[in-house]
Amino acid sequence: AQKVTQAQTEISVVEKEDVTLDCVYETRDTTYYLFWYKQPPSGELVFLIRRNSFDEQNEISGRYSWNFQKSTSSFNFTITASQVVDSAVYFCALRPPGTASKLTFGTGTRLQVTL
Amino acid sequence: GAGVSQSPSNKVTEKGKDVELRCDPISGHTALYWYRQSLGQGLEFLIYFQGNSAPDKSGLPSDRFSAERTGGSVSTLTIQRTQQEDSAVYLCASRGGLTHYGYTFGSGTRLTVV
Repeated sequence: AQKVTQAQTEISVVEKEDVTLDCVYETRDTTYYLFWYKQPPSGELVFLIRRNSFDEQNEISGRYSWNFQKSTSSFNFTITASQVVDSAVYFCALRPPGTASKLTFGTGTRLQVTL
Repeated sequence: GAGVSQSPSNKVTEKGKDVELRCDPISGHTALYWYRQSLGQGLEFLIYFQGNSAPDKSGLPSDRFSAERTGGSVSTLTIQRTQQEDSAVYLCASRGGLTHYGYTFGSGTRLTVV
């Protein structure tokens, strides 16, 4: 069985603060894929990143960075110098290998960035 | 089209009525997924279509729910005899090719059963 846990339901920060969104997953697969999606108020999910389980290199994209720790089954997401436009619900998701497979999502973390 | 299109964007229906939700995937995308997002919940998988293969219906919560995909393109999710617990946002996603990993989601249909 696959499971994704996002323990933080809601986080509020002041603009320019750094914030980390936690994601812990469970899977019996040795190969799998991890994702982060952003859901702004418009409702559409926006793809942020995909990570293969065999690639533990951390990734940085502008103000966004991701820390993949296979030993602790975590895939945390950090926003540096947060901005109001970062306010959204962020979802972590897990997918097993194979083309006929679906994403298992966490319950999401609502991030509110204020001035 | 340029993105995944879902209609209607909002639907209010009376308990017991049937509803149909439509999804237009990105042209050429072979995989199509339906998810349900209830208040305070994550996205719950409902059904998955891949090309001409039999759909994966393992996530459908009851036999009141059904979906079809005509001509490998447009999909319709039907909920019969709606109940208040069916109130949620229904999201559709499509994915291109067998190895493409990017799921493109639509903006969803917000269903309210009164």
